[in-house]
Amino acid sequence: DAGITQSPRHKVTETGTPVTLRCHQTENHRYMYWYRQDPGHGLRLIHYSYGVKDTDKGEVSDGYSVSRSKTEDFLLTLESATSSQTSVYFCAISEKGTQNEKLFFGSGTQLSVL
Amino acid sequence: GDSVTQMEGPVTLSEEAFLTINCTYTATGYPSLFWYVQYPGEGLQLLLKATKADDKGSNKGFEATYRKETTSFHLEKGSVQVSDSAVYFCATHDGSSNTGKLIFGQGTTLQVKP
Repeated sequence: DAGITQSPRHKVTETGTPVTLRCHQTENHRYMYWYRQDPGHGLRLIHYSYGVKDTDKGEVSDGYSVSRSKTEDFLLTLESATSSQTSVYFCAISEKGTQNEKLFFGSGTQLSVL
Repeated sequence: GDSVTQMEGPVTLSEEAFLTINCTYTATGYPSLFWYVQYPGEGLQLLLKATKADDKGSNKGFEATYRKETTSFHLEKGSVQVSDSAVYFCATHDGSSNTGKLIFGQGTTLQVKP
């Protein structure tokens, strides 16, 4: 299994509070991604990174920011959490970002915003 | 833009029944196609993939053929087991960039009863 660790695994927070989710990889892969999983929507891309300090938006980036100061860590921040951000968040990595390449996924973070 | 559409679930089958989960896609060019599986409480893992038209991906008794003429990649298994109970996602690469981003279908929940 690819070495991907997401933390925390579960979090409950209140509306309006900031939240940071962490993804840590030990594979030295260049590309990292944050997805959210919601019933009826599958997985949707929030942000991704193609190198240290290089990030870009996905299809559902509003209300989220990311940072990648080291190859191994990719942080997702909800600046002011809302109930619509209650979801399961998955981090994924790929080595080269090529068309034939598979993604490796972490185990997910269950976030509940009350 | 590129998209993936899967059949609605849940799908409930008896053990040893035949499984088909339909998947169609719209894409720029001829991207690779993937099936991912998510077991309860876990992240997604690659089940199989096909990289060009008429390719057949296979793994663990599951098969899917890349059909360019019908833009489809249907998942099949001849005899399902209880252990196949999971959520199945069809996916394709985002053809608008070379960053390894995947576009997922909504997911289909399979429940296999003994």
